[in-house]
Order: sequence, then C-alpha cells, then structure tokens
Amino acid sequence: AQSVTQPDIHITVSEGASLELRCNYSYGATPYLFWYVQSPGQGLQLLLKYFSGDTLVQGIKGFEAEFKRSQSSFNLRKPSVHWSDAAEYFCAVGARQTGANNLFFGTGTRLTVIP
Amino acid sequence: DTGVSQNPRHKITKRGQNVTFRCDPISEHNRLYWYRQTLGQGPEFLTYFQNEAQLEKSRLLSDRFSAERPKGSFSTLEIQRTEQGDSAMYLCASSLPGPVGNTIYFGEGSWLTVV
Repeated sequence: AQSVTQPDIHITVSEGASLELRCNYSYGATPYLFWYVQSPGQGLQLLLKYFSGDTLVQGIKGFEAEFKRSQSSFNLRKPSVHWSDAAEYFCAVGARQTGANNLFFGTGTRLTVIP
Repeated sequence: DTGVSQNPRHKITKRGQNVTFRCDPISEHNRLYWYRQTLGQGPEFLTYFQNEAQLEKSRLLSDRFSAERPKGSFSTLEIQRTEQGDSAMYLCASSLPGPVGNTIYFGEGSWLTVV
C-alpha cells in the first residue's frame, strides 16, 4: 500500500530565502507524485506533478520538485519565497496499477513566511 | 470552466441531525471523488464515481454516509445521525477519465461542525 511522509510539520522561512519541503513515499513501483497547496479554509490547488520522464518538474508560482527514485523522495523547492507562499503544502501519491483511482496524502507542512 | 463547486461552504449542525453536501464537478470530468480532511491532517479518500457508478468506497465511509451521483453530473454526500467525530472539511474533486495520473481538481470544500 502507498504511504506518504512529510517529516516537517511546520517550517518558517524569511521572505526571499530559499525553501525545500520534504516528501518521502512508500510504494512498490514508481508512483504518480503530486504537490498541492492549501490556503487557510480553502481547497487544494495543484502545484506540480510527476508522471514520468524528466525527474525535475516545474510547476506554478515558481515551484519545482525533483523525483529521486533511490531515496523515494519528491522534495518541493523554491529559490526565493514570497509572503504569499504562506500556506499548507501536501505531497500526494497515486498508484499506477489499473483500477487505482485515488490519491494518498501526507499530513502536510505548514509554511510561515517572515517579512 | 468554473472549477469544482461545493455547497454549502459551512454547515453547523446538532449531533444526531442529517446533513447533505452538494458537489458540481468540472463539466467535462466524468470522475468525481469525495475526500475528508480533519484539522492537522491531509485529505483522506472516501469514495469515487465514474459517471453515475460508485466504483470504490473507503472503509472510512461508514453506514451513516451515503454518496450519490444520479445523472453522472453533480453529486451529493449525505451524513445521517451526525456525530462530533464527523466534524471535518469534506472535499469534492473531479478528473478526466484515464489513469489516476490524470490531474484531480479539488473544490474549496464544505466545512462541517457538529455540536
């Protein structure tokens, strides 16, 4: 069965600093991988996704993520954080097997941005 | 394309009452999902429809929960005899047909508070 671990519950960074949010997954093969962002009281917005091919994936709002098979990781990065990036970030995995139709989410990382 | 629409956005109900949430997916999406998210956690899969057929249900979906999608368009999620543990945000999502790698788009959620 799939599982997702986001080891950092809360991260605080200064505006303009770089950011890396960690995500580790457990799955028997290469899963589909996603990062979503959620502002307080809102739904989830897709930042980026990895299906296959280039392991460095570009997303919206200047985010990128790198799939590392050897480490079972899909860490999210941004070179320079803006105050508007403060939100909750969720990593999710989806199985490639036929008939699998849902995503498994991590518990999230809350990002605080200091001016 | 107006996105996934959910209503009501907030519902406060007394324990033991029934509540119903509605979801209108993106118009060309034939797949529809319900997730539940409690405070401090990531979303958890509840159930999934392809057109009007409910193809998968999580063990989280107790007998008090029922979801329908009668014409393959909008969906309703009803919770009978609500309990305080049902307090959560109920997220609806939709996607195009195909493997789970197809992007799942989420609505803004319906908050339920059971008092």
